[in-house]
Amino acid sequence: DAGITQSPRHKVTETGTPVTLRCHQTENHRYMYWYRQDPGHGLRLIHYSYGVKDTDKGEVSDGYSVSRSKTEDFLLTLESATSSQTSVYFCAISTYRGRLDTEAFFGQGTRLTVV
Amino acid sequence: QKEVEQNSGPLSVPEGAIASLNCTYSDRGSQSFFWYRQYSGKSPELIMFIYSNGDKEDGRFTAQLNKASQYVSLLIRDSQPSDSATYLCAVITGTASKLTFGTGTRLQVTL
Repeated sequence: DAGITQSPRHKVTETGTPVTLRCHQTENHRYMYWYRQDPGHGLRLIHYSYGVKDTDKGEVSDGYSVSRSKTEDFLLTLESATSSQTSVYFCAISTYRGRLDTEAFFGQGTRLTVV
Repeated sequence: QKEVEQNSGPLSVPEGAIASLNCTYSDRGSQSFFWYRQYSGKSPELIMFIYSNGDKEDGRFTAQLNKASQYVSLLIRDSQPSDSATYLCAVITGTASKLTFGTGTRLQVTL
């Protein structure tokens, strides 16, 4: 699992409340990603990070923000949760060691339900 | 146009046959290409990655890359019922290593 831990693993929250999901890695990899996975849509990139305090938006970033204040932690925040954000959220890391030496591994996922 | 496209399937093949899964990508600057397998309710797991044009073999799996056609494929030989899963194609693009996935192809291996 490349030392990736997501927390919480399951969460139920109410519409309008803020929610923060945490991704923690133990191997100091530079690149980290947040995805959501919904039936029929596959894995869609929300935000990604290429270093401490270096982040960029993915294809479905509206309603989400991220922070990376240290290498090992990448936080995803839903500022005001909506039912459309009910999904399974995956964190991933990329073991980038050069263009020809990269692998990417996933955390266990967080199942978020917004009621 | 989606950055990475796959046929959603399901692709049904009999046990012992070759399963062929295909993926196209839109960014010619894409550098690295990956195939993941995902069982229902589980995290995606990496099967293979490929960087250079041509074929790369690992056991029953062969990845094929054609950069001119912007096409990546995965062949699974001697398909087994345990291969039944969703297969995700992924591509890394850009200097910031943006990792983008297709929607996945569901494979069913029948007895």
